[in-house]
Amino acid sequence: AQSVTQPDIHITVSEGASLELRCNYSYGATPYLFWYVQSPGQGLQLLLKYFSGDTLVQGIKGFEAEFKRSQSSFNLRKPSVHWSDAAEYFCALFGNEKLTFGTGTRLTIIP
Amino acid sequence: DAGITQSPRYKITETGRQVTLMCHQTWSHSYMFWYRQDLGHGLRLIYYSAAADITDKGEVPDGYVVSRSKTENFPLTLESATRSQTSVYFCASSVGGRAEAFFGQGTRLTVV
Repeated sequence: AQSVTQPDIHITVSEGASLELRCNYSYGATPYLFWYVQSPGQGLQLLLKYFSGDTLVQGIKGFEAEFKRSQSSFNLRKPSVHWSDAAEYFCALFGNEKLTFGTGTRLTIIP
Repeated sequence: DAGITQSPRYKITETGRQVTLMCHQTWSHSYMFWYRQDLGHGLRLIYYSAAADITDKGEVPDGYVVSRSKTENFPLTLESATRSQTSVYFCASSVGGRAEAFFGQGTRLTVV
C-alpha cells in the first residue's frame, strides 16, 4: 500500500522568512511525487513534480523541492514567502495507477 | 471549452436520497479520480479509473458507486446519502504517471 504523510497540520511564518513543508511517503518503487497548492475556495494547482533525475526540482512561484530516497521524503521549500503564499499545500504520490494525497499543511503568513 | 468540469457546484439533499455528481473532461485522459475533502483529512480517494470500463476502489469507497462507460465521463453516485457524506467532492483527470492531474472546481454537497 502507498501512503503520504504531512506531519505539520498548520505552519505560521513571517512574510519574508524561509519556508519548509515536510512530506514523507511510503511506496515500494521510485514514486512520482507532486506538490499542489489550494487557495481558499479554489481547486488545486500543481507547484512542481519529481519523477527521476535531479533530486532538486524547481517549480512555479519560486518553490523548490528535494527528493531524498534514503529518507523517503520530498520536502517543499521557499527562501522568502509572500503574503500571497498563504494557502493549503498538499503532497501527492502517483503509484499503482492511483494518485494519493497527504492530509495537507495549512500555511499562514504573518506581516 | 477544454477542461474538466463538475456539476452541480452546490447540492443540498436529504438523507436517504440518491444523488449523482457529474465529472466531464475534454482531454481524453486515461485516468480519472474522485476525492472528498474534509477538514483534517485532506483529500481522500474514493474511486479511481485507469480507463473506460475500468474502475477501482480507493481509500473511502463505502456508500459510493461509479461508472465509466465513456472516457470523458466519470459520474459518482451516492446510493443513499448520509450526513457523513457532507463534504466537498473533487474530480481529477490525468494521463497518469509523471503527468499533472487537473482538478475540477469541486462540488459542495450537504446532506440534511
